[in-house]
Amino acid sequence: ETGVTQSPTHLIKTRGQQVTLRCSSQSGHNTVSWYQQALGQGPQFIFQYYREEENGRGNFPPRFSGLQFPNYSSELNVNALELDDSALYLCASSLYDEQFFGPGTRLTVL
Amino acid sequence: AQSVTQLDSQVPVFEEAPVELRCNYSSSVSVYLFWYVQYPNQGLQLLLKYLSGSTLVKGINGFEAEFNKSQTSFHLRKPSVHISDTAEYFCAVSKTMNRDDKIIFGKGTRLHILP
Repeated sequence: ETGVTQSPTHLIKTRGQQVTLRCSSQSGHNTVSWYQQALGQGPQFIFQYYREEENGRGNFPPRFSGLQFPNYSSELNVNALELDDSALYLCASSLYDEQFFGPGTRLTVL
Repeated sequence: AQSVTQLDSQVPVFEEAPVELRCNYSSSVSVYLFWYVQYPNQGLQLLLKYLSGSTLVKGINGFEAEFNKSQTSFHLRKPSVHISDTAEYFCAVSKTMNRDDKIIFGKGTRLHILP
């Protein structure tokens, strides 16, 4: 059984660009949550997908969007990148209760 | 709404000494409580969780935490730390254990183990 994987591990973008981050859920998990962890802060909930539908959203602007695919893998898209978007982005998959976290993608916006 | 306060941003402790990482929470409803660990350049790993029942919860790697409802605290303890415990520790809260409920994290406490 493979765990949660994320790609890429690191990414550098410039202001105004768009980025797509990817997450593969743990086998059998139908729910994916995305979190943003800024430097020196705890993770903050961005949104969650359950069976390809958005199932809850945190306090993030619409330029943060996502997708979940039939195999339950997921993407996080961020448009019009800002400097403050620099952070570690974590995804977590779950089936019933406990969320299992991936290693994260570190995004740097210059 | 729920919130979590981790009272110390950094805690230095000598190897083999005991450690306590403090966490207080605020909520108008019953909550579930968690401690996660994040090793350098890695994701989050669940150390332990309190759902109900005994207020003393034992987790992995020799850690334990005590739920105190009257003080709204969930402090993490280990009787003897090892250099491998160097990491960031996050206290977290959730209203339910349902998959669709978000987890609210504290800002984290960095544990420094001194030789």
